[in-house]
Amino acid sequence: AQSVTQLGSHVSVSEGALVLLRCNYSSSVPPYLFWYVQYPNQGLQLLLKYTTGATLVKGINGFEAEFKKSETSFHLTKPSAHMSDAAEYFCAVSLPIRSSASKIIFGSGTRLSIRP
Amino acid sequence: NAGVTQTPKFQVLKTGQSMTLQCAQDMNHNSMYWYRQDPGMGLRLIYYSASEGTTDKGEVPNGYNVSRLNKREFSLRLESAAPSQTSVYFCASSEDRGRGMRSNQPQHFGDGTRLSIL
Repeated sequence: AQSVTQLGSHVSVSEGALVLLRCNYSSSVPPYLFWYVQYPNQGLQLLLKYTTGATLVKGINGFEAEFKKSETSFHLTKPSAHMSDAAEYFCAVSLPIRSSASKIIFGSGTRLSIRP
Repeated sequence: NAGVTQTPKFQVLKTGQSMTLQCAQDMNHNSMYWYRQDPGMGLRLIYYSASEGTTDKGEVPNGYNVSRLNKREFSLRLESAAPSQTSVYFCASSEDRGRGMRSNQPQHFGDGTRLSIL
C-alpha cells in the first residue's frame, strides 16, 4: 500500500539554522512527490514537486528537496531558516485512481517553529 | 485570480442540523476534491470528482454527500451533523491527465471552512 511518513510532528530550529524536514514514502510505482506548506488559517500551497528528471528539486522561498530512490526519501531542506518559515509542512505522493482523477496521499504534517 | 473559493469560512452547528459547504474554482480544472483536516492526521479525502457529473468516494465518505454542479462548483453536504465531523474542510482542484494516469500537477486549495458541531 502506498503511504507517506513524516518523521517528527514538530521541529524547532533557530533563525539562520538549517531546516531539515524528513519524508519517506512507500509506492509500488515510481512516485510523483510534493511538498506543501500551510500557514495559519490558510489552505495548502505547493512548495515544490518531483516528477521525473533531476532528483534535486528547487522550490519557492529557498526550499529544496532531494529524491533518493534507494532510501525512498524526499527530505525538505533550507540552508537558513527565517521567522516567516514557521508553518506546517506536508509531504505528499500522487497516485492514479479511476475516473481520471489523481489521488494524493498526504503525510500527517510537520510543524516548523523558528526560535529568534 | 481567485483560485479556489470556499464558503462559509466558519460555521457552528448543532448535532443533527444539516448544511452545505460551497466550493468554486476559476482555473477550468477537471478534477475537484473535498478533504478534512484533523490534528495529527494530515488531510483525508472525503469525496472527489474527476469531471462534471461524476463523483466518487474517498477514504472517509460516511456522513457526507457531494454534488458536482458544473465544472466550476463542487459542494459538500452534511445531512445530519455529528460532533465527530468537527473539522477543517478543504476543497481543492487540479488538472489531471486522464483515466488511470498519475498527475504531475499539484492540487490547488481553498482557505478552508472551520466547522464546529456541538
